[in-house]
Amino acid sequence: KAGVTQTPRYLIKTRGQQVTLSCSPISGHRSVSWYQQTPGQGLQFLFEYFSETQRNKGNFPGRFSGRQFSNSRSEMNVSTLELGDSALYLCASSLEESTDTQYFGPGTRLTVL
Amino acid sequence: AQKVTQAQTEISVVEKEDVTLDCVYETRDTTYYLFWYKQPPSGELVFLIRRNSFDEQNEISGRYSWNFQKSTSSFNFTITASQVVDSAVYFCALKEGNNRKLIWGLGTSLAVNP
Repeated sequence: KAGVTQTPRYLIKTRGQQVTLSCSPISGHRSVSWYQQTPGQGLQFLFEYFSETQRNKGNFPGRFSGRQFSNSRSEMNVSTLELGDSALYLCASSLEESTDTQYFGPGTRLTVL
Repeated sequence: AQKVTQAQTEISVVEKEDVTLDCVYETRDTTYYLFWYKQPPSGELVFLIRRNSFDEQNEISGRYSWNFQKSTSSFNFTITASQVVDSAVYFCALKEGNNRKLIWGLGTSLAVNP
């Protein structure tokens, strides 16, 4: 079974631009979570989607948004990019229940110049 | 409040040494789940193990073993006879009850030198 895939793997943007990252979960998984990883803050939860609905959200500004499609694929968008948004963005998928194990994709490394 | 502490920021060992990575957690829930993930230089987080709060049985998987002790709120990870391929950052994480997000430790960077 194919793992979680994320595209693109690397991205370079400039301040003020916006960016969209994509995540395809493991086949059969209906929950997708997003995390931001930075050297200073470590891994921080962004949000989680299930059946096209956001079920949980972390403490990030409204510039960070996401959505999930009917096929469980998910996208996250960051508008008005800031230098501090440079990070590795990780997507994780799980079957359904909150107790299910999350499996991660390779991440998208975003650099904001 | 929920919290995961990995006190060891970096560990360096020589191949074939045994090494233990510490993880201490805080939670008020009686039902929770603990995880260990490995992050090699490629960046992908690789799931290693999950433990439920009601199951304190230790686990061994090849060279890896985990010691879960509720009395000390610890979930330590031991690699026996370490290998260079074990070099990575290891993260401990906590999920409470029906909460859907993982709370992460800051990770322990393990370098296994030949």
